[in-house]
Amino acid sequence: AIQMTQSPSSLSASVGDSVTITCRASQAIHNGLAWFQQKPGKAPKLLIYAASILEGGVPFRFSGSGSGTDFTLTISGLQPEDFATYFCLQDYNASGNYNFGQGTRVEIK
Amino acid sequence: QMQLQESGPGLVKPSQTLTLTCSVSGDSMTSHSFYWHWIRQPAGDKLEHIGHLSTSGTFNHGFDVYNPSLRGRVVISSDMSKNQFSLRLTSVTAADTAIYYCASQKVPSAPGRTFVIWGQGIMVTVS
Repeated sequence: AIQMTQSPSSLSASVGDSVTITCRASQAIHNGLAWFQQKPGKAPKLLIYAASILEGGVPFRFSGSGSGTDFTLTISGLQPEDFATYFCLQDYNASGNYNFGQGTRVEIK
Repeated sequence: QMQLQESGPGLVKPSQTLTLTCSVSGDSMTSHSFYWHWIRQPAGDKLEHIGHLSTSGTFNHGFDVYNPSLRGRVVISSDMSKNQFSLRLTSVTAADTAIYYCASQKVPSAPGRTFVIWGQGIMVTVS
């Protein structure tokens, strides 16, 4: 099974900062990667799919990049509503199971 | 816009069978081809894909895909006349305590655009 290693597990930042979260796949997954945001008590929300395509309605301060095994999510200019946990997901190997990263908690400094 | 809602028991005894239902509203399960997913999240832990069921119109492909770690204990089924799909997990233990989510995916879909619509989740405790 393809494993997803996400880092860091948590980070502290201030409003207006830019932050980057990374996910590494245990084998190449082309662009079969998505990023989700989850707030406490809520279901995850899809932010980015196909590694770099913004889901409709998601602010442009969110961006994704990468292909193969290494991927990044960047939030440019953190807003108060962005403090949450972020997960990556690979669906390249859809005949098996879908694997999530461990999550990155973005906290207010 | 499709909406999903999980229902079922919040408490299950060890060794028993957990059955959860996901009710679909705002669209018909038969309107397109879909994957119907179940995902769970233990407290403070990462999300885990349990499995999914594939349907096309009124046809259930029968191509169920399950997480290997749960294979043999889990079945996902549908009742399209009720616009619902269900999860059945047998021989539960404390390790199955988690928030359980259902999610839908219209197929074909772009890479990564898998879990677009989610239910709100239901907390299940095994004790």
